[in-house]
Amino acid sequence: NAGVMQNPRHLVRRRGQEARLRCSPMKGHSHVYWYRQLPEEGLKFMVYLQKENIIDESGMPKERFSAEFPKEGPSILRIQQVVRGDSAAYFCASSPKEQGYEQYFGPGTRLTVT
Amino acid sequence: AQSVTQLGSHVSVSEGALVLLRCNYSSSVPPYLFWYVQYPNQGLQLLLKYTTGATLVKGINGFEAEFKKSETSFHLTKPSAHMSDAAEYFCAVSERGNNRLAFGKGNQVVVIP
Repeated sequence: NAGVMQNPRHLVRRRGQEARLRCSPMKGHSHVYWYRQLPEEGLKFMVYLQKENIIDESGMPKERFSAEFPKEGPSILRIQQVVRGDSAAYFCASSPKEQGYEQYFGPGTRLTVT
Repeated sequence: AQSVTQLGSHVSVSEGALVLLRCNYSSSVPPYLFWYVQYPNQGLQLLLKYTTGATLVKGINGFEAEFKKSETSFHLTKPSAHMSDAAEYFCAVSERGNNRLAFGKGNQVVVIP
């Protein structure tokens, strides 16, 4: 059973470009979460999605960031007009159900904005 | 809102010695508690979790943690450190009713031969 897949593993963007990060959950998992890890900080929750629905986006920056989890295909975290402060590791996690079930994490995408 | 405090960003322990990582949480409702480990350039791997029932939980690689409601703590221990335990360890909490994990800032564990 393949784990959570994320690609690309490393992404370099110039300021002002768009970044698209993809996440394929574990087979049978319908709940997807995105977290951001800034240098010297722990992981911060960004958004929680189920298929075709955003359930909780309380951790998403108000501008430039969006997320989706379509009926078919991976979940996408999209960052428009990237700035240097967006440089971080972005982790996706999935779980089979909500409420107390462990979240399984992918290897992360390390975004560098130059 | 839930939150987690992990003190001491870097922890050094001698090989064979006790590993003790402290975690205190804040939650307005009964929490779910987790410890994750992260090796360099990898994702997080679950070590153990507490949801309900027995307050002493055992995880992988010889780790265990005890939920103490009166102290709002969930400290992680391992009786004898191994070189392969060198990694970063994160405590996390989620509240019943939401799915957000709130993480502590982590403990970077160094094992000294």
